[in-house]
Amino acid sequence: KAGVTQTPRYLIKTRGQQVTLSCSPISGHRSVSWYQQTPGQGLQFLFEYFSETQRNKGNFPGRFSGRQFSNSRSEMNVSTLELGDSALYLCASSLGATEGEKLFFGSGTQLSVL
Amino acid sequence: AQRVTQPEKLLSVFKGAPVELKCNYSYSGSPELFWYVQYSRQRLQLLLRHISRESIKGFTADLNKGETSFHLKKPFAQEEDSAMYYCALGAGGTSYGKLTFGQGTILTVHP
Repeated sequence: KAGVTQTPRYLIKTRGQQVTLSCSPISGHRSVSWYQQTPGQGLQFLFEYFSETQRNKGNFPGRFSGRQFSNSRSEMNVSTLELGDSALYLCASSLGATEGEKLFFGSGTQLSVL
Repeated sequence: AQRVTQPEKLLSVFKGAPVELKCNYSYSGSPELFWYVQYSRQRLQLLLRHISRESIKGFTADLNKGETSFHLKKPFAQEEDSAMYYCALGAGGTSYGKLTFGQGTILTVHP
């Protein structure tokens, strides 16, 4: 069974640009969550999608958005990039049916904003 | 607000020694607690969760609601246990996929 796949693996952007990250969940998983990981703040929850609907949202500005497609693949978009957006972005998938489910994480996309 | 505190950034033990990684949480409701682990050059993965009360790779963790703690323990550490360990809190209700993570503890087991 293929794991959670995130693309691209690395990205370099400049301030003011926008970026789109992609996440393909494990087959059969309908929930995709996104996390930002930085040395200073650690792992912080961005949002979670289930059946193309955002079910949970963290405390990030509106520049951070996401969506989920009918095949459960998810994309995350960051507009007007700032230097502080440099981070490892992780997505995780799960069945999404109950709380407390095991999350399966991808390898992440390392975003550098110059 | 939910908060998870892992007081030790670094923890070093020798092989065969007991190990305890501390985790304290702050949450007014009924918590769901997890330990995730990241081995070198591997993905973050679930080690155990309190609801299943299982022992994985010799690790156990007991939820103490009175002390709001969920410490991870292993009686005899192995070198392959060296990794970054994260304690995480789910708020229950409709917290699907939404976890609050601690800052993590790097465990090093020396031969």
